Amino acid sequence: ETGVTQSPTHLIKTRGQQVTLRCSSQSGHNTVSWYQQALGQGPQFIFQYYREEENGRGNFPPRFSGLQFPNYSSELNVNALELDDSALYLCASSLWQGESNYGYTFGSGTRLTVV
Amino acid sequence: GDSVTQMEGPVTLSEEAFLTINCTYTATGYPSLFWYVQYPGEGLQLLLKATKADDKGSNKGFEATYRKETTSFHLEKGSVQVSDSAVYFCALNANRDDKIIFGKGTRLHILP
Repeated sequence: ETGVTQSPTHLIKTRGQQVTLRCSSQSGHNTVSWYQQALGQGPQFIFQYYREEENGRGNFPPRFSGLQFPNYSSELNVNALELDDSALYLCASSLWQGESNYGYTFGSGTRLTVV
Repeated sequence: GDSVTQMEGPVTLSEEAFLTINCTYTATGYPSLFWYVQYPGEGLQLLLKATKADDKGSNKGFEATYRKETTSFHLEKGSVQVSDSAVYFCALNANRDDKIIFGKGTRLHILP
C-alpha cells in the first residue's frame, strides 16, 4: 500500500509567478484535501476534492485553485504568488463511503518559498 | 465557528518524565478528535484519535480521552523518550464538511 506522495519537495518562486503542486493519493482513497501550514502555525484547510469536483473550501482567495484527476491524483495551483504564500503545503487523501470517512493520510508536503 | 486551543510551547522535559499537553475545543455537535505529530522536515502523522465521548485513543504509549463535559482532549505519556521530540497538533473534524481544524501546535523537546 503506497502512501501519499507530493512533488516537488521544495520550490522557490518569485512574487507574481504561478505554481503547480502535485499529489498522488494513497491507493484506494477517493478524496483529496489540501492544507497550508505557515511557519510555526497549524495547517489551514484550503479545499477538498471528491469525484473530481471541489467539495468544500476554506478561507482562501480564488487564485488558489485545484484539480482532481480520474486516478484521484490532484494538483494545487496558485496564481499571482505573494510573499505570504510561503508555507508548507500538505496534501491529505481519504476514503469516503456513504456517510463515513475511513481516515486521512498526509503527505510530507511541498515547501514553497516566494521571494 | 469550530476551533482548537492547545497549550503553547515549547515544552522541555527530561527523558522519562511525565508529559501532558492540554487541548480544548469548541464545536457544535459531536466532532472526532485527533492528535497528530510532525517530526522535523516531515508531514503529519496521525498519533491517535477518538470519535465519541469517553473514548480513549492510544498509540506508542500516548493516550488522550475525549471529555465532552470539559470539551478537552489532553495528550499524556507516562515516560517520554528523546525520540518523542516533535511538534504535536490537536485537531478536530466536525464531520459536516470533512475538513480538519488544527490547533497551532506544541513543540516538545526531550533532553537526554
